[in-house]
Amino acid sequence: DIVMTQSPDSLAVSLGERATINCKSSQSVFYSSKNKNYLAWYQQKPGQPPKLLFYWASTRESGVPDRFSGSGSGTDFTLTISSLQAEDVAVYYCQQYYLTPHNFGQGTKLEIK
Amino acid sequence: EVQLMESGGGLVQPGGSLRLSCAASGFSFSYYWMSWVRQAPGKGLEYMATIKEDGSEKYYVDSVQGRFTISRDNAKNSLYLQMDSLRAEDTAVYYCARDSGYLHWGQGTLVTVSS
Repeated sequence: DIVMTQSPDSLAVSLGERATINCKSSQSVFYSSKNKNYLAWYQQKPGQPPKLLFYWASTRESGVPDRFSGSGSGTDFTLTISSLQAEDVAVYYCQQYYLTPHNFGQGTKLEIK
Repeated sequence: EVQLMESGGGLVQPGGSLRLSCAASGFSFSYYWMSWVRQAPGKGLEYMATIKEDGSEKYYVDSVQGRFTISRDNAKNSLYLQMDSLRAEDTAVYYCARDSGYLHWGQGTLVTVSS
């Protein structure tokens, strides 16, 4: 199985500042014949289901604000919020879908400093 | 718009059974893999079971293999999870998801296994 490891486990950032969450996979999730990274990011607010933010590592889901960006390739990926807003407080998860089981990272809890 | 509505959760005793359902709308259900993902209270997400578009392939995480059965009825745009021999550690919110690799999620249904 591919193991997904996020860092940090929790993060406190001031409003308007940049937040960066990292995700590392135990093996590459880049499928060379399709030139795609099989990596998604989700946001989960308290009491709500997860919401898809990015797929193929950097393709923004419709409706996701452009202050959110996804980057990386191979085994190392990053979710960046360029200017933190109060509504961004949530737990963020990465997930690989290169191999079954499509495992998730353990989550990163983002709070306001 | 993808809409997924789970039902069938509730309180069940250890060793008991429960059947979850997921009603899908807003997309061509028979064209997609579908999955169940669960989240124990205060914990992370666990990718639990998945089923191919025509039901011919299924995958289960080791912890539920032999106890849970995923199935679908494409004529009814519905996904199911039969859960048998339930344990306390199966207590979780169970989410139905449209699985393109990346997931679109339902609202979830809570299953509590307790005596």
